[in-house]
Amino acid sequence: DAGVTQSPTHLIKTRGQHVTLRCSPISGHKSVSWYQQVLGQGPQFIFQYYEKEERGRGNFPDRFSARQFPNYSSELNVNALLLGDSALYLCASSSVTRQVNTEAFFGQGTRLTVV
Amino acid sequence: GEDVEQSLFLSVREGDSSVINCTYTDSSSTYLYWYKQEPGAGLQLLTYIFSNMDMKQDQRLTVLLNKKDKHLSLRIADTQTGDSAIYFCAEGPSGGYNKLIFGAGTRLAVHP
Repeated sequence: DAGVTQSPTHLIKTRGQHVTLRCSPISGHKSVSWYQQVLGQGPQFIFQYYEKEERGRGNFPDRFSARQFPNYSSELNVNALLLGDSALYLCASSSVTRQVNTEAFFGQGTRLTVV
Repeated sequence: GEDVEQSLFLSVREGDSSVINCTYTDSSSTYLYWYKQEPGAGLQLLTYIFSNMDMKQDQRLTVLLNKKDKHLSLRIADTQTGDSAIYFCAEGPSGGYNKLIFGAGTRLAVHP
């Protein structure tokens, strides 16, 4: 079985540009979450989507947005890129049951560099 | 508030046991997790423990949970060079679906 897949693996963008990152969850998983991991720090929660609806949002500006598609894949969009957005963006999928956390499996991430 | 703290660095000799410690603040956390991250890679789920347990063993890994002190530890027996990585402790607040709160990570260095 395929794990969580993310694309692209690496990306270089210029300040002010827009970027779209993609994630496909493990087959059968309906929840996708996005995390930002800045070098030397732990991952920070950005969004969670479950059954195509946003279920949680971290402390990130409105430049960050996401959506989940009927096949449960997801996109993370970041507008007006800043140098500080350079990070590893991780996607996690899980088979969330109501109000209970279960195992979250992470993809390999997309390394975004903003220059 | 939500906060997870870990010591930043641990160095052990190959074959010894490693103990990585973590403290958390949210007493309502349902699950507590340990993830491993190798250079340039994503996060690998190692193990997790329910908040109503105090110990879980999985091959070379032992997780101990002290709910009173909000302290979590990961013991790796017979540490190998392949165990060199960054280890993240994370808490999953109840009702928060899949929002995980991570510590800054402990870098484990295993030397001969």
